[in-house]
Amino acid sequence: DVKVTQSSRYLVKRTGEKVFLECVQDMDHENMFWYRQDPGLGLRLIYFSYDVKMKEKGDIPEGYSVSREKKERFSLILESASTNQTSMYLCASSLIGQKFFGPGTRLTVL
Amino acid sequence: QQQVKQSPQSLIVQKGGIPIINCAYENTAFDYFPWYQQFPGKGPALLIAIRPDVSEKKEGRFTISFNKSAKQFSLHIMDSQPGDSATYFCAASIQRGNKLVFGAGTILRVKS
Repeated sequence: DVKVTQSSRYLVKRTGEKVFLECVQDMDHENMFWYRQDPGLGLRLIYFSYDVKMKEKGDIPEGYSVSREKKERFSLILESASTNQTSMYLCASSLIGQKFFGPGTRLTVL
Repeated sequence: QQQVKQSPQSLIVQKGGIPIINCAYENTAFDYFPWYQQFPGKGPALLIAIRPDVSEKKEGRFTISFNKSAKQFSLHIMDSQPGDSATYFCAASIQRGNKLVFGAGTILRVKS
């Protein structure tokens, strides 16, 4: 079974803090993704990566950056957290088409 | 602006009923339409998917109906069970590509 793990289930940070969300997949997938999930808005793509050190902006990249130094690991970085970044963050990986999601990190920014 | 519009936002049915969730899209380049199911505390998981060259696809109790001319597709759950209670997302992409666009989600509750 594909396993996608996220470093934290719940995280509370203060406005202005730098926040790192980590994601690891164990299936050697080329593609990895970061989404945020908000009620009434569904899942929105923040960034994705199709290879090590390669990345592409999704629909809502503002205020976020990503890092992929190893194939199995994809990090989402909030350079200066703001209250409007309070959300559920979902990481996913895929080989062709089908995405496998992690359990999510619920981030609260105070 | 949502590229894939999903309705209803929430749905309550009795056990054995047939909940129907509808989605509509504008981009005619979309050619892959998956549905994802998400249980509380879990990430979404692929449930069933369809391509526009077929009008219907069944997998167990789950059926997707697709209407290419109307640019609409829907999920039907036959003989629904309390264990089907979850959030359902429709989605669309071009050639199963990386940019999968999701609908807003439907929270389904099946009452026993």
